[in-house]
Amino acid sequence: GIQVEQSPPDLILQEGANSTLRCNFSDSVNNLQWFHQNPWGQLINLFYIPSGTKQNGRLSATTVATERYSLLYISSSQTTDSGVYFCAVGDGGFKTIFGAGTRLFVKA
Amino acid sequence: GAGVSQSPSNKVTEKGKDVELRCDPISGHTALYWYRQSLGQGLEFLIYFQGNSAPDKSGLPSDRFSAERTGGSVSTLTIQRTQQEDSAVYLCASSFELAGAEQYFGPGTRLTVT
Repeated sequence: GIQVEQSPPDLILQEGANSTLRCNFSDSVNNLQWFHQNPWGQLINLFYIPSGTKQNGRLSATTVATERYSLLYISSSQTTDSGVYFCAVGDGGFKTIFGAGTRLFVKA
Repeated sequence: GAGVSQSPSNKVTEKGKDVELRCDPISGHTALYWYRQSLGQGLEFLIYFQGNSAPDKSGLPSDRFSAERTGGSVSTLTIQRTQQEDSAVYLCASSFELAGAEQYFGPGTRLTVT
């Protein structure tokens, strides 16, 4: 099956810093989503981005499907950005495979 | 409803008991998914329902796990003879009926087996 690898596994930032999170996947996918899991466990949709580039405020994402990776950019980080960021890909059908996540802590 | 809802939010049960977890998808979403998240881990796919088709049960960890969907809407995940290793957060998601469609998640049910 498809393998999804996220890096880095852990990241500590000072408030105001920028960061890039990476998601590599091992095969063609029909879906790629980025989620933020907040400290209460809720998964929040950030981007649905099987290809191309999207921006939403301080966050942006780029997926290069032909090279099998996606990047999530966080600019001017805030303490509320803390949590776990997951990349999830579709296997061509309805099954979705999640990466292990990047755990982000933003210090005030 | 406005989003995916799950109940109960927390469940503590004794080893060996059966439990039922409920998921109400977003209105109009005909695909429904169950995942399990163990402490500090990523999400593990369990099962999905696509419209009226037979569910894909390939992710269910054992025959103690089963799921059904009534009327193409509400779904129930049942765990029989619970074991301590079943302790986890069980998450439900829904989407439109299109392979690769965007999924929206409920708040989860935290199951603790003592």
